[in-house]
Amino acid sequence: QVKLVESGGGVVQPGRSLRLSCAVSGLIFRSYGMHWVRQAPGKGPEWVAAILYDGSRKYYGDSVKGRFTISRDNSKNTLYLQMNSLRVEDTAVYYCGKDPKKQEPLPYGVDVWGQGTTVTVSS
Amino acid sequence: NFVLTQPHSVSESPGKTVIISCTRSSGSIASNYVQWYQQRPGSSPTTVIYEDDERPSGVPDRFSATFDTSSNSASLTISGLKTEDEAVYYCQSYNSSTWVFGGGTKLTVL
Repeated sequence: QVKLVESGGGVVQPGRSLRLSCAVSGLIFRSYGMHWVRQAPGKGPEWVAAILYDGSRKYYGDSVKGRFTISRDNSKNTLYLQMNSLRVEDTAVYYCGKDPKKQEPLPYGVDVWGQGTTVTVSS
Repeated sequence: NFVLTQPHSVSESPGKTVIISCTRSSGSIASNYVQWYQQRPGSSPTTVIYEDDERPSGVPDRFSATFDTSSNSASLTISGLKTEDEAVYYCQSYNSSTWVFGGGTKLTVL
């Protein structure tokens, strides 16, 4: 059974940093692209970032480009999201998600979601 | 970038069939896979369709999807509606550098 467990959320002041983690089990992690998706209170999901299965390519949404960094450690079956220069509008539940196909040259969606971790940016 | 447009809400009775549309503003709907996600209140999203028309294990075959290039839209069909299907449904697709979600359709089963 594939399981994704996010952690690292919390309350942080504007301008500060936070690192989210997503521990993955039940599959060969290094074979799958991964995504971070966030959902602000009362809003729909917003794609944040994606990373290829081998970490060789990374993609970012316009609202986080230059501030957030997605990475992965395939030896630890863990996905990360380093969030710098946080803004009030980054307040959301952050979900990690697994791409459906193995070794896809371009991650395209999510077939398994984590339960999410909440990030609140407030002074 | 492109936009995916969904109806804000739909409602139907138990046992009936409902179709939720998702129209892509630019670029062909057939060029990139479309996914559909279900989100019940207070819960994480779950995937009901990926890769245009594939169902993850555990998703009943009451859920199906297709796309229509003439209208540049994808559609999610839920047949034999159950009260547990009441949720918000989001479509999602992508291009070479960005992933886009539709605004969501609230399905009420009454």
